[in-house]
Amino acid sequence: AQSVTQLDSQVPVFEEAPVELRCNYSSSVSVYLFWYVQYPNQGLQLLLKYLSGSTLVKGINGFEAEFNKSQTSFHLRKPSVHISDTAEYFCAVSGSGGSYIPTFGRGTSLIVHP
Amino acid sequence: KAGVTQTPRYLIKTRGQQVTLSCSPISGHRSVSWYQQTPGQGLQFLFEYFSETQRNKGNFPGRFSGRQFSNSRSEMNVSTLELGDSALYLCASSLTGGDGEQYFGPGTRLTVT
Repeated sequence: AQSVTQLDSQVPVFEEAPVELRCNYSSSVSVYLFWYVQYPNQGLQLLLKYLSGSTLVKGINGFEAEFNKSQTSFHLRKPSVHISDTAEYFCAVSGSGGSYIPTFGRGTSLIVHP
Repeated sequence: KAGVTQTPRYLIKTRGQQVTLSCSPISGHRSVSWYQQTPGQGLQFLFEYFSETQRNKGNFPGRFSGRQFSNSRSEMNVSTLELGDSALYLCASSLTGGDGEQYFGPGTRLTVT
């Protein structure tokens, strides 16, 4: 079984400030990890993914995430946020060995203030 | 390449009715998954179809069913609607489903009154 915990339900931040959205997972097998973003009234869009290799993953819109196996974490970061980054962010995990249906976290609402 | 499309985008139904939602995956994608998204429960996996066969199923009652056609298009059916079925239903397609990377449609917003 696998699970995902997004530690913050809401993260308010000022424009141009850095941000970190936290994600911890548990799984009994090797994992693939994902971050998705959902804008209002839209579906989810893939931001970045970790399948293997380098633990620092760069995605779209200036986001990056670091896979930390010992801490079972996959935190999402951006050095300088824009108003347009206001959205819901979901962390997801799938098992690389067979249970490939991803399990999603409950989401973190990023609110960027001017 | 066109993205995942879902129809209709919005739907209002009455308790006890049934509803069918449609999803067209990205061309070439053979895996289609369905999710229910609600404020209280978040994103919950309903089922996944691959090459016209249900390959995975979530923990939903039998009122929720689906199918996939030979062109990979998928439909989801909910019978005997309940108020609690009000949600955003998301369809996601994947090339094979093997690595969990999915491409989502905009969703169908179902309201049950």
